[in-house]
Amino acid sequence: DIVMTQSPDSLAVSLGERATINCKSSQSVLYSSDNKNYLAWYQHKPGQPPKVLIYWASTRESGVPDRFNGGGSGTDFTLTISSLQAEDVAVYYCQQYYSAPQTFGQGTKLEIK
Amino acid sequence: EVQLVQSGAEVKKPGESLKISCKGSGYNFARYWIGWVRQMPGKGLEWMGIIYPADSDTRYSPSFQGLVTISADKSINTAYLQWSSLKASDTAMYYCARLGYCSGVSCYSGYRFWFDPWGQGTLVTVSS
Repeated sequence: DIVMTQSPDSLAVSLGERATINCKSSQSVLYSSDNKNYLAWYQHKPGQPPKVLIYWASTRESGVPDRFNGGGSGTDFTLTISSLQAEDVAVYYCQQYYSAPQTFGQGTKLEIK
Repeated sequence: EVQLVQSGAEVKKPGESLKISCKGSGYNFARYWIGWVRQMPGKGLEWMGIIYPADSDTRYSPSFQGLVTISADKSINTAYLQWSSLKASDTAMYYCARLGYCSGVSCYSGYRFWFDPWGQGTLVTVSS
């Protein structure tokens, strides 16, 4: 299984400031045949199902604010929120869909400082 | 609109059996993989397994193989997650979600995609 490790486990950022979450996979999720990274980011708020924010490591889902950006390749990835808003308080997960089981990171809890 | 609607919350006793459901609408249900994800209280998301309703091809996480059964009935656009003998440790929220996506007029199915959309979740409580 590919192990996904996120850091930090929790993060407190002031409103309007940048938040960065890291995700590392135990093996590369870059598929050489199409040069795509099989990595997604989800936002999970209490009482709601998770919502995909980013797929192919850096493609923003339709309707997701442009303050959310994904980057990285191979085994190291980041989710950056450029200017934190109150509604961004949530738990964020990375997930590899390169191979089954399509494992999630342990989650990063984002709070307002 | 693509939508997944899950069955309601369940309260069961240890040793009982249970089958929860996930009904898809707004798309060709048989042609897209459906997955199940567990979230235990206060914990993160865990990928349990996926099924392709067209032929019932199923992939399980080793962590859940033999502990649950994933099935689907394409005639009624419904996927299932079932237990033969529940334990207290099965207490969790369970989500179903579809794999594959559409971009403009083109749609792509296969299991090497992210989960979108998700069902609303089914809370399973197992307690004596």
